[in-house]
Amino acid sequence: GQNIDQPTEMTATEGAIVQINCTYQTSGFNGLFWYQQHAGEAPTFLSYNVLDGLEEKGRFSSFLSRSKGYSYLLLKELQMKDSASYLCAVRGPSGTYKYIFGTGTRLKVLA
Amino acid sequence: EPEVTQTPSHQVTQMGQEVILRCVPISNHLYFYWYRQILGQKVEFLVSFYNNEISEKSEIFDDQFSVERPDGSNFTLKIRSTKLEDSAMYFCASKKDTNTGELFFGEGSRLTVL
Repeated sequence: GQNIDQPTEMTATEGAIVQINCTYQTSGFNGLFWYQQHAGEAPTFLSYNVLDGLEEKGRFSSFLSRSKGYSYLLLKELQMKDSASYLCAVRGPSGTYKYIFGTGTRLKVLA
Repeated sequence: EPEVTQTPSHQVTQMGQEVILRCVPISNHLYFYWYRQILGQKVEFLVSFYNNEISEKSEIFDDQFSVERPDGSNFTLKIRSTKLEDSAMYFCASKKDTNTGELFFGEGSRLTVL
């Protein structure tokens, strides 16, 4: 089966650092993706991990541990515009094409 | 920057009517997807399409749904007889090739079934 868990909501202050966790149990794994989704808009790609470790991309970093079925997205120097939902998605094993999304974490950034 | 485009942005229909949602994926992409998101819920996989055929579909994608790539640019989702529970945002997505990681999403088509 497929199960991807994320906290439902988080709140943080402008300028701070926030870590959004994602745990997954999927039948096969071929990469973990983080997307940002503002209300009423399409998901936009942020980050991708297929091997263990940290990937850094400006203010955003993502970490993966395949043995633990765990990832996190780290957002530094938070800005008001970072208020959005953050979606964790897992791509299935080679030979399948689908990406399964978690329920998303709604992040509120306060001034 | 190339983007996935979807039409219509919003469609209101009566229960039992047929609906066609249209998508133009990014031109050199080879894999196409439809996802849906019911208000306040997660993004759910419906179907993937590659090499002019369905490669995978979910349990949601029953006989009421079909997809087509009628020409070299359009990718459509048809719902034959809409139900109230089909009300959702429908996202089209595409990706370049097997090794490319990310999906590129369109802005979505909001379907409201009355």
